[in-house]
Amino acid sequence: GAGVSQSPSNKVTEKGKDVELRCDPISGHTALYWYRQSLGQGLEFLIYFQGNSAPDKSGLPSDRFSAERTGGSVSTLTIQRTQQEDSAVYLCASSFTGGGEKLFFGSGTQLSVL
Amino acid sequence: AQSVTQLDSHVSVSEGTPVLLRCNYSSSYSPSLFWYVQHPNKGLQLLLKYTSAATLVKGINGFEAEFKKSETSFHLTKPSAHMSDAAEYFCVVSGGGGTSYGKLTFGQGTILTVHP
Repeated sequence: GAGVSQSPSNKVTEKGKDVELRCDPISGHTALYWYRQSLGQGLEFLIYFQGNSAPDKSGLPSDRFSAERTGGSVSTLTIQRTQQEDSAVYLCASSFTGGGEKLFFGSGTQLSVL
Repeated sequence: AQSVTQLDSHVSVSEGTPVLLRCNYSSSYSPSLFWYVQHPNKGLQLLLKYTSAATLVKGINGFEAEFKKSETSFHLTKPSAHMSDAAEYFCVVSGGGGTSYGKLTFGQGTILTVHP
């Protein structure tokens, strides 16, 4: 596709369950970011992948959060043992080189933890 | 380390009047600065960016922003607001050193309301 694709668009889960959120960046983009937007909050950086370099995981809020990027393309954000405070919109973005150039955002996954 | 402060959580203007959305930043490095807009039920869209060229940056939809290093500010302005400008606006800084070069830090956002 032409843009960043995220799935699912909405996810409702029960507290304690694991969830996987998927991001398909624009083909050829080497940089991929995950952000979280909680109600009433700004965007919160979670993790950043750049090419084959070790990812910057400094924004992950706890060890329940992890992310992978396979083959330098698709990324999966996994949240284990979800908590109600994990409810948010999870946004993925990609850019061509990751040097602060224009980011292209997906439309996000709305996660609701009941 | 870098941080961004958007000084107003909400701004309300009348259609046809000027818009000013304030942003202050701090960065240990020469920063790149951006403004993004998020309309209801839509994804984020880049309005404009500053990357150490001209200090007055023009963006889409008539918006512009001026980089003032002495004031560590990057305020967003528009001479005349339209109803379609109603949205949430994010000021963003990039340029953390080392492996976080591309890492972006977002402000808390400013919701712009435009009244007829």
